[in-house]
Amino acid sequence: QVQLQESGPGLVKPSQTLSLTCTVSGGSITSGNYYWSWIRQPAGKGLEWIGRIYASGNTNYNPSLKSRVTISVDASKNQFSLKLTSVTAADTAVYYCATIGGDSYWGQGTVVTVSS
Amino acid sequence: QTVVTQEPSLTVSPGGTVTLTCASSTGAVTSGHYPNWFQQKPGQAPRSLIYGTSNKHSWTPVRFSGSLLGGKAALTLSGVQPEDEAEYYCLLYYGGAGVFGGGTKVTVL
Repeated sequence: QVQLQESGPGLVKPSQTLSLTCTVSGGSITSGNYYWSWIRQPAGKGLEWIGRIYASGNTNYNPSLKSRVTISVDASKNQFSLKLTSVTAADTAVYYCATIGGDSYWGQGTVVTVSS
Repeated sequence: QTVVTQEPSLTVSPGGTVTLTCASSTGAVTSGHYPNWFQQKPGQAPRSLIYGTSNKHSWTPVRFSGSLLGGKAALTLSGVQPEDEAEYYCLLYYGGAGVFGGGTKVTVL
């Protein structure tokens, strides 16, 4: 059973870079036809798709975030990561890592607050 | 900017049937948009119910079904149970990039 766990700073200052890691357990990040995805949800609001990466490194990003987002895979650590640059208060949200499709696994989510 | 639209809220009686829809600002939703449906309860991570328009996971209750209906993706709940009260989100893909709908709050009353 694949499990995902997000980790990273819970507080980021405005204009800085938000960095989160998703650790995959119970399976290899390079096996299977998984797209490893990041989704976020501001408090009391809906879900926002951020982007995804295939094990091969192929990525897709939300056009509205594309200029600030990088998603990468570290196969040696069985992890994939999210970097979001130049953050503002609008980036405050619960951030989820997940796979979407026939095999759907979600992390529990991690709260990231952007504040000075 | 592509917008995916869902009903903000729907109310259904226990044992009843309700259909949620998911519309695309670009036109008719097709299987090529690979519609997904998620259920989210307060304080919990979303849980996938349907992928690829109508495919169910092993954990998806039989009473949930996905389809394409009138140019939209649809999620039908038949024989609604009190535990189905939740927020439901659809997700469509456009050339690899995903867009979530705004969510539908389903109240069982």
